[in-house]
Amino acid sequence: AQTVTQSQPEMSVQEAETVTLSCTYDTSESDYYLFWYKQPPSRQMILVIRQEAYKQQNATENRFSVNFQKAAKSFSLKISDSQLGDAAMYFCAYTKYGGSQGNLIFGKGTKLSVKP
Amino acid sequence: DAGVTQSPTHLIKTRGQQVTLRCSPKSGHDTVSWYQQALGQGPQFIFQYYEEEERQRGNFPDRFSGHQFPNYSSELNVNALLLGDSALYLCASSRTAGNTIYFGEGSWLTVV
Repeated sequence: AQTVTQSQPEMSVQEAETVTLSCTYDTSESDYYLFWYKQPPSRQMILVIRQEAYKQQNATENRFSVNFQKAAKSFSLKISDSQLGDAAMYFCAYTKYGGSQGNLIFGKGTKLSVKP
Repeated sequence: DAGVTQSPTHLIKTRGQQVTLRCSPKSGHDTVSWYQQALGQGPQFIFQYYEEEERQRGNFPDRFSGHQFPNYSSELNVNALLLGDSALYLCASSRTAGNTIYFGEGSWLTVV
């Protein structure tokens, strides 16, 4: 069975600094998608970034980028120039490629605090 | 373009009662998934609906059932509520051929 592990329950970063959140996963599939979702206190899950496993290039979205290491089954999120609005729970998620998309497997989350 | 909408946003039920939660997917999306998120945990997959049929199911008892309508909207029903069913219930929609999954704001269920 696929699993997603986030080993950092809480992280803290100074405003304008850079922080990296860790995620590892286990799967026997070769094609899959990985996601980072942000969940602020409003509780709505907001997609931060997506990575297709068949793409070697790491995904980037403005201040957010990932380090995808397929062989190591590692998928970390780097937030550059951290802002107060980045404070939230961050969840790493996996879904296998194909018709079952939407069946996301989530990690337990990392709570990110941003200090002014 | 409306995103994923859920109703109600909050509700309180008594143990043993039944509840129905509703979800309208994002425009153009045909697949709806439901998740349960207990406090302090990541969401857990309940089931997924496509073409009005349950396509996949997570590790949830039969007390949890659902339905998808021809307009792709969906309902989640939970019977014989237990205190442990208290959680945030999230609806997510996607396109079958797509790879981006959008979430609604969730329905907070408290069972007393």
